[in-house]
Amino acid sequence: NAGVTQTPKFQVLKTGQSMTLQCAQDMNHEYMSWYRQDPGMGLRLIHYSVGAGITDQGEVPNGYNVSRSTTEDFPLRLLSAAPSQTSVYFCASSRLFTGELFFGEGSRLTVL
Amino acid sequence: AQKITQTQPGMFVQEKEAVTLDCTYDTSDPSYGLFWYKQPSSGEMIFLIYQGSYDQQNATEGRYSLNFQKARKSANLVISASQLGDSAMYFCAMREGFGGTSYGKLTFGQGTILTVHP
Repeated sequence: NAGVTQTPKFQVLKTGQSMTLQCAQDMNHEYMSWYRQDPGMGLRLIHYSVGAGITDQGEVPNGYNVSRSTTEDFPLRLLSAAPSQTSVYFCASSRLFTGELFFGEGSRLTVL
Repeated sequence: AQKITQTQPGMFVQEKEAVTLDCTYDTSDPSYGLFWYKQPSSGEMIFLIYQGSYDQQNATEGRYSLNFQKARKSANLVISASQLGDSAMYFCAMREGFGGTSYGKLTFGQGTILTVHP
């Protein structure tokens, strides 16, 4: 049972480049979300989804896009990377009516 | 205003002793859930314990217990019999509301770094 799988684990980008962080879960969870973790600020919600075809913004959505075409996958897109997006990104999923988030291992992104 | 406040940036405890990590929260929603997660130096987020706002008893999971004081809006994590492997960052988090779109949305505190000394 793989749980929540994120790729890549590490990425270095130049300002203005685009990339996609992949997230897949095999637990048939309805909810999926993306968080970023910055020093001294805990985790902050970027975008979330309550099911295929449904997404919504979290606390810090600017500069990021998401889509949810299947239950399993929830990619996070950076269209034009900025140094302020240097962070560790976590994908998480949860089941309906429990709320416990299962996290991926994180993706460390550096934007130069 | 901060919704989740962890006032202890760092804590130290001797192995085999108990330690309490503080967490206070702020919400006007009568329905909410409180979580604690552990993040070791390897970086993954590990779920420890959950307390619902309507739960009558404090949650316990093995060596972890949650001291839930609703009137004071505090949800402190108590780790009994500390082990060296407990050294990590600990995050308190809250979900406001039940059902619908609330489940995937947690608000996290800034975390407390716990160091266990042998």
